[in-house]
Amino acid sequence: DQQVKQNSPSLSVQEGRISILNCDYTNSMFDYFLWYKKYPAEGPTFLISISSIKDKNEDGRFTVFLNKSAKHLSLHIVPSQPGDSAVYFCAASAVANFGNEKLTFGTGTRLTIIP
Amino acid sequence: GAVVSQHPSWVICKSGTSVKIECRSLDFQATTMFWYRQFPKQSLMLMATSNEGSKATYEQGVEKDKFLINHASLTLSTLTVTSAHPEDSSFYICSARAVLGDRPYGYTFGSGTRLTVV
Repeated sequence: DQQVKQNSPSLSVQEGRISILNCDYTNSMFDYFLWYKKYPAEGPTFLISISSIKDKNEDGRFTVFLNKSAKHLSLHIVPSQPGDSAVYFCAASAVANFGNEKLTFGTGTRLTIIP
Repeated sequence: GAVVSQHPSWVICKSGTSVKIECRSLDFQATTMFWYRQFPKQSLMLMATSNEGSKATYEQGVEKDKFLINHASLTLSTLTVTSAHPEDSSFYICSARAVLGDRPYGYTFGSGTRLTVV
């Protein structure tokens, strides 16, 4: 039962353009969402997060949008740079389980920035 | 920022032997640590959650007798793969959560361990 889904396994974007990565979830108890960037043979690196009380959070080139009614979130990277090429995972957690809180990861999207 | 150190980064072992992987939070205390496993081109699958001083909570389908987790202090958790077999070959990643529950820092990941069982 994949509660967090990233339906695009890969995405190619021209350098300088906007990269949009999408994520859908099914568990309505999720109330905190995170995006991670991962290179091969390395651990994930935290990028940005958003609480369910917000619909947008911005940090530099990264913006995350949350649509609770659609159970959908997206990560926008603009402008895209070659160093952004990596696998991006979205993850979700539920504060109701704080103390036993854990992350549920999506399947990942491989982003390739074309110079 | 919060740093989690994981060692070794890679290990090759013979089938039937045991391997220990260490995960340390370097500049914060981690009441909870998580162990993940990632197969090639797949997502990170949570194996178990360990709380300092208590027994780990394993996810469904994860053999607790095979994957021994010890969280003896607020800065160290270990995962021991016992009697390893080739199917245990994978990429193992730990994650630590800070005491204060600052969520972005609470999910700081180690650099991972590539285990190959021959």
